[in-house]
Amino acid sequence: LAKTTQPISMDSYEGQEVNITCSHNNIATNDYITWYQQFPSQGPRFIIQGYKTKVTNEVASLFIPADRKSSTLSLPRVSLSDTAVYYCLVCPGNTPLVFGKGTRLSVIA
Amino acid sequence: GAGVSQTPSNKVTEKGKYVELRCDPISGHTALYWYRQSLGQGPEFLIYFQGTGAADDSGLPNDRFFAVRPEGSVSTLKIQRTERGDSAVYLCASRAQEDTEAFFGQGTRLTVV
Repeated sequence: LAKTTQPISMDSYEGQEVNITCSHNNIATNDYITWYQQFPSQGPRFIIQGYKTKVTNEVASLFIPADRKSSTLSLPRVSLSDTAVYYCLVCPGNTPLVFGKGTRLSVIA
Repeated sequence: GAGVSQTPSNKVTEKGKYVELRCDPISGHTALYWYRQSLGQGPEFLIYFQGTGAADDSGLPNDRFFAVRPEGSVSTLKIQRTERGDSAVYLCASRAQEDTEAFFGQGTRLTVV
């Protein structure tokens, strides 16, 4: 499975756009890139998934360059309630999800 | 139910005892996963069921851990002779198909004293 590297933590002020970049240099052809969000005392929650280029939903955008060796999760205008741990996962669809340590995002008023 | 349900939400047990943790997946979801999460770490994969069979149990740490899903719906994670190092949050997730998003339960916090 492709190894992912993402920052351990990030801080942001409310209302700012937050970009979290994940490196996955050995991504395989059949791997998807998926991001999950986890609040304290809750299970992870799916945010967004993509294979290449850009994907956008009501919560976030996911930017994937042509070589797919990295990806960037973009959260527009964050609020205090976006404080959570964000996990970048790279794996084929037919295997269990493998989580790293994630990025702890702290949003400050 | 509306989501993945895990019971109990908290379990305190004495070292050496046997525990069972239950997971009710979303109705119709064929794939079911168990994870374990320690403080400050990401979820660690334990076992994956596709229907009634364990498709991948490579994450089970040792033979004290066992899981079943006899009718392809509810699953039970069983831990024998619990140790203090087994203390963690045990998470269950289900998926409609292998390549769709996974839905997680709230977890069971296991404390071995």
